[in-house]
Amino acid sequence: GQQVMQIPQYQHVQEGEDFTTYCNSSTTLSNIQWYKQRPGGHPVFLIQLVKSGEVKKQKRLTFQFGEAKKNSSLHITATQTTDVGTYFCAGRNTDKLIFGTGTRLQVFP
Amino acid sequence: NAGVTQTPKFQVLKTGQSMTLQCAQDMNHEYMSWYRQDPGMGLRLIHYSVGAGITDQGEVPNGYNVSRSTTEDFPLRLLSAAPSQTSVYFCASSTGTGYTDTQYFGPGTRLTVL
Repeated sequence: GQQVMQIPQYQHVQEGEDFTTYCNSSTTLSNIQWYKQRPGGHPVFLIQLVKSGEVKKQKRLTFQFGEAKKNSSLHITATQTTDVGTYFCAGRNTDKLIFGTGTRLQVFP
Repeated sequence: NAGVTQTPKFQVLKTGQSMTLQCAQDMNHEYMSWYRQDPGMGLRLIHYSVGAGITDQGEVPNGYNVSRSTTEDFPLRLLSAAPSQTSVYFCASSTGTGYTDTQYFGPGTRLTVL
């Protein structure tokens, strides 16, 4: 079945450093979504990418969808303590949305 | 709009007991799904529904039943609880399976099976 893997599993950074998480699917995706989950909270939608090679930015966050539509990345520039949480990618193939394993980000002030 | 609501927030069961986790949404969304979240495992899809009267299995359906008699409600039933089902359960809904569907998650139910 479809599998979506994320690396790294954990990342600790100093405030101001950059952060990147990578997402890889075993199958070609029709789209990919990114979510953020704060500690003790529920996942909240960040963005969706649909087109091959698509790049989207939200302030300090840059999202990229691979040319083959099987991988994606999220890059945060100059992290802040408010960026703490777990970041999930979610890939859609037909009618199932399969979530990645998540990357837990800790930011030290 | 209340969005996606889940009850209860916390539940403790003994092995072998059955129970139903409730999920409701007031956004008239067609697509609803149940996920379980375990440390290091991310969110795993249990069951999903693309509309009233239609349900299908996700990645980890064993030990769980669902039904979708109305657009608003999507309950998850644990038939005979096992310690391996200790987890946080999230219900989610979206407008559909099209290219621009955002998943809205409920607050979650934290289940412990002793």
